[in-house]
Amino acid sequence: EVQLVESGGGLVQPGGSLRLSCAASGFTFSDHYMDWVRQAPGKGLEWVGRVRNRPNSYTTQYAASVRGRFTISRDDSKTSVFLQMNSLKTEDTAVYYCVRAYSFGYRFDYWGPGSQVTVSS
Amino acid sequence: DIQVTQSPSSLSASVGDRVTITCQASQDITNCLNWYQQKSGKAPKLLIYDASNLETGVPSRFSGSGSGTDYTLTISSLQPEDIATYYCQQYENLPLTFGGGTKVELK
Repeated sequence: EVQLVESGGGLVQPGGSLRLSCAASGFTFSDHYMDWVRQAPGKGLEWVGRVRNRPNSYTTQYAASVRGRFTISRDDSKTSVFLQMNSLKTEDTAVYYCVRAYSFGYRFDYWGPGSQVTVSS
Repeated sequence: DIQVTQSPSSLSASVGDRVTITCQASQDITNCLNWYQQKSGKAPKLLIYDASNLETGVPSRFSGSGSGTDYTLTISSLQPEDIATYYCQQYENLPLTFGGGTKVELK
C-alpha cells in the first residue's frame, strides 16, 4: 500500500524557517518525481514545486511565489522528500501536501494527509 | 503560465442528478488535464487523468471529456458520497496550475 506521511509543520514567525519531511513507502520511491502542493485556509490548490528522479538528475522546479525561498530535495536511500522553507511570509500559511507525481509528473496519484504550516507573529 | 478557469464555483443538486463541471484553459492543453475530488478536511483524490481516463477504483458514474481548451467532468447520477470540492489541473506546461474549484452540495 502506497503511503506518504508529512511531518515538521507548525507555527513559525514571519522571516523564519521550517523544514517539512515526507516519508514514503509501498512503492519504488526512486522511480518517481515527487511534488509539494499547498492549500491556504479556505482556498484552492497551489503547486509548490518538484524534484525529479535520478535519471533526470534530481532537477527541481518551483512556483514563482516560492522560488528562491523554498528548496525541495530527496533522499532515495531513506525514501523521503523534503521541503526547506526560508524567509517565510504570512501568505505561506497553508496545509502542505506531499504528492507522488506519477508518469513523469503528469498526474498526482497519491497524496499525503498534509502538514499545517502557520506563519504568524 | 496557463490559467485554468473552472465553473461554476459552486452548485447544488439532488441525489440522482446529472452534474457537469467545466474547465477552460488559457491555451490549448492537448488533453493534459486531470480532475481531483477533495472531501472536507481530506487530501485530494485523483479521479480522471489525461482528460478522460478513469483512475482505478473510481466509480463509473464519473467521466471526463473535452479537447483543446475546454474540458468537462460529469457525474452521471449524483450520490451523497460525491459531496466534495472538485478541481481540474493542467500539466501541459510548468508551472502546473489548478482551477479554482467547484463545491458540490446537496439540494
